[in-house]
Amino acid sequence: AQSVTQLGSHVSVSEGALVLLRCNYSSSVPPYLFWYVQYPNQGLQLLLKYTTGATLVKGINGFEAEFKKSETSFHLTKPSAHMSDAAEYFCAVSVKGRDDKIIFGKGTRLHILP
Amino acid sequence: DAGVIQSPRHEVTEMGQEVTLRCKPISGHDYLFWYRQTMMRGLELLIYFNNNVPIDDSGMPEDRFSAKMPNASFSTLKIQPSEPRDSAVYFCASILGGGSTEAFFGQGTRLTVV
Repeated sequence: AQSVTQLGSHVSVSEGALVLLRCNYSSSVPPYLFWYVQYPNQGLQLLLKYTTGATLVKGINGFEAEFKKSETSFHLTKPSAHMSDAAEYFCAVSVKGRDDKIIFGKGTRLHILP
Repeated sequence: DAGVIQSPRHEVTEMGQEVTLRCKPISGHDYLFWYRQTMMRGLELLIYFNNNVPIDDSGMPEDRFSAKMPNASFSTLKIQPSEPRDSAVYFCASILGGGSTEAFFGQGTRLTVV
């Protein structure tokens, strides 16, 4: 069965600094990988996804993630943090043809320091 | 489309009472997921449907929880009897076409059982 591990339940970065949120997955077959963002009192919104093809995926708000099969990782990065990036971020995995269910990590809350 | 609509947004109930949460997915979407979010356990998949048929309910915590999808535009999650440990935010999400596509989330129902 597939699973997702997000390292660090809380991450703090200064405004303008690099954002790095870590995600490792477990899957016996090639996965689909996602990053979602959740703002307070809202549902989750898709930031970006990897299905096939180019392993570096660009998303909204300047975020990107790279699929590294050898490391079973899908870390989320942004070169320069903005105050509006403060939110909770979820990594997720699914496998086509294997129930199609989406499994989420426990989330990482990103704090932006002025 | 107005997106995924959940009701109520907030529910406070007494222990032992029956609680029904409602979800209207995006029109045309063929998958519907119910998740529960808590600080301790993160975002847990409870059950999901494909074309109104329950596919995997292994995440439903106990027999007190039940979910139905009588038609393509409506689903319910019922807890009977409710307990304080059921307090959480419950999200509904819908997808078109399977696990590689974006999941659209409702704004959630915040359930408090006292």
